[in-house]
Amino acid sequence: DQQVKQNSPSLSVQEGRISILNCDYTNSMFDYFLWYKKYPAEGPTFLISISSIKDKNEDGRFTVFLNKSAKHLSLHIVPSQPGDSAVYFCAASHPGGSNYKLTFGKGTLLTVNP
Amino acid sequence: DTGVSQDPRHKITKRGQNVTFRCDPISEHNRLYWYRQTLGQGPEFLTYFQNEAQLEKSRLLSDRFSAERPKGSFSTLEIQRTEQGDSAMYLCASSSGTGLYEQYFGPGTRLTVT
Repeated sequence: DQQVKQNSPSLSVQEGRISILNCDYTNSMFDYFLWYKKYPAEGPTFLISISSIKDKNEDGRFTVFLNKSAKHLSLHIVPSQPGDSAVYFCAASHPGGSNYKLTFGKGTLLTVNP
Repeated sequence: DTGVSQDPRHKITKRGQNVTFRCDPISEHNRLYWYRQTLGQGPEFLTYFQNEAQLEKSRLLSDRFSAERPKGSFSTLEIQRTEQGDSAMYLCASSSGTGLYEQYFGPGTRLTVT
C-alpha cells in the first residue's frame, strides 16, 4: 500500500512561471517530509524539507507547504527554469519515533519549456 | 569531493552469480542506508545502519541479500545467486546523527542481471 502518493506522473510549465508539485500521504505517524530532485543516471539530490511542526519552509526559489489536516504537501518552484527539468520525489519519515528510513512517492517528471 | 560515493556505477552479471557493491558515506555521517529503485518507482528502503549496527531491514531484503558496515565507515551490499528481478538501481545514502534528517544519496549502482 502506497503511503506516499504523487498522483501526477508529469507536469509541463513555461520558463518563468510557477511549478507546483503535489504529494499526499496516508501514514499519520510521518513527521518529517522532504523533496528530492533526480536527473537520469544520478542519485536523488536533496532540495528542501519541512518538519510537521511547521506549515511552510522556503529556500530561494523553492517553497514547501504542509497541510497536516489534509495530509498534503506541495513544492512550489518560482520562477521555473529549464534546468529544473527532472523527476521530483516526495519522501516522508518518522524521526520522532527513531524511524529514519524514507518512504518515497513514485515521482513527478517536471519539464520546463524555454 | 566529500559526497557519498558508490562503486561500481554499473554491473552486468549472469543469473546465479554473486555481486557486491560498495558505498562510502559522507565522512562523520553515522547513519547509512541502502535503497533500491526500479523503473517508474521511487526508491524503496532496504536496510539501515547506525555506526556498525544494522538496525532495520526491509522485508524486501531476502536471505540472498546481506549488508555489512564494518567499523562504521564504508558499507557493502552483497546479492547471492542473482535473479533477473534483482535488476535495479541500488542507492546508498547517509545522514548525520545530530538531529538533521536529510539523507544524501550517492550516484547509485545500476545492476543488470541477464
